[in-house]
Amino acid sequence: GAVVSQHPSWVICKSGTSVKIECRSLDFQATTMFWYRQFPKQSLMLMATSNEGSKATYEQGVEKDKFLINHASLTLSTLTVTSAHPEDSSFYICSAGGSVAYNEQFFGPGTRLTVL
Amino acid sequence: LAKTTQPISMDSYEGQEVNITCSHNNIATNDYITWYQQFPSQGPRFIIQGYKTKVKNEVASLFIPADRKSSTLSLPRVSLSDTAVYYCLVGENPNKLIFGAGTRLAVHP
Repeated sequence: GAVVSQHPSWVICKSGTSVKIECRSLDFQATTMFWYRQFPKQSLMLMATSNEGSKATYEQGVEKDKFLINHASLTLSTLTVTSAHPEDSSFYICSAGGSVAYNEQFFGPGTRLTVL
Repeated sequence: LAKTTQPISMDSYEGQEVNITCSHNNIATNDYITWYQQFPSQGPRFIIQGYKTKVKNEVASLFIPADRKSSTLSLPRVSLSDTAVYYCLVGENPNKLIFGAGTRLAVHP
């Protein structure tokens, strides 16, 4: 299967700062990437869907001005958490799909964000 | 998007076969059924995918009845390392997937 990486794997930041998380599909071109958030002991919650070269589609209740998503190329999508607050502390996971070679989504290893 | 229902948790012992059933009564014609495994602090990992009848790979088997309103993931001879959360998802790949609560499987020695 395809490989998706995320960077960083964990990050600690102060309240009010912005944090950028990168998601890369290493060995295939992903026309679509997805961003999820997962709180402890809970399931993954889809935040947004991003298609290369176009604006992301956010799920209901997700603030697009707070969670900025950029999908500038077929192998890279970024999620920026702006003006982070402690309640934004969570596990953020991206996935990539849309390749004609695969009919599944491939998930990254996740990024643990802790906001102090 | 079809909603899925799975048992919240299951317990098993090493060497046993584990069957996890998922209900998806509103599955659409173009939907596939996909199962993922997730360990703590890791991204989900693809296990198996099917459309109808039976699918088998080196890790698991997936049984889907003719009406496709449910599916059963079968894990043969589980080990302690199979302790994880298992998610059943239905959707038209590779479009967005909505995760349900999943089944927390605990394998005991």
